[in-house]
Amino acid sequence: DVKVTQSSRYLVKRTGEKVFLECVQDMDHENMFWYRQDPGLGLRLIYFSYDVKMKEKGDIPEGYSVSREKKERFSLILESASTNQTSMYLCASSLDTGGAGNTIYFGEGSWLTVV
Amino acid sequence: KQEVTQIPAALSVPEGENLVLNCSFTDSAIYNLQWFRQDPGKGLTSLLLIQSSQREQTSGRLNASLDKSSGRSTLYIAASQPGDSATYLCAVRRGGFKTIFGAGTRLFVKA
Repeated sequence: DVKVTQSSRYLVKRTGEKVFLECVQDMDHENMFWYRQDPGLGLRLIYFSYDVKMKEKGDIPEGYSVSREKKERFSLILESASTNQTSMYLCASSLDTGGAGNTIYFGEGSWLTVV
Repeated sequence: KQEVTQIPAALSVPEGENLVLNCSFTDSAIYNLQWFRQDPGKGLTSLLLIQSSQREQTSGRLNASLDKSSGRSTLYIAASQPGDSATYLCAVRRGGFKTIFGAGTRLFVKA
């Protein structure tokens, strides 16, 4: 089974702190994604990566950055956390794009509260 | 711009009932459509993926259909159980990396 692991399930951080959310997948997937999910707004794509050291902005990249130094690991960074970044963060992965049969697999989510 | 709509937003049914969840999308140029289940406070679990060239997919008590021309997909759940209670989301993938998610249907199956 594909496993996407988000190392932190629940975090509480202070405004202005630098926050790292880590994600690891074990299926050698090329593509990795970070979403945030908020009530009434659904899932919104923050960043995605289609290869090591490659990244593309999603719909809401402001206030976030990402790092992908190894194929299996994709990190989301909040440079200076703010209260409006309190949310559920979901990491996902999939095989190379272009394949119509490429399932997206999600991690368990990371609940971040910024106080 | 692709939009994905799921109706109803919430549904409550008695145990044992067969039910249908609906997903509609505005642009028929899709690569695939995927159905997910999400339990409260958890991530999304993939249930079924239908490629654009396919009409339906089945897994156990679940059957998903796709009609690209009308921009619709349905998820049929047979003989519903309390353990089926969750939020069900559909997601449409276009070319490249873009996947658009619906807001979901919250299902409650009463014992």
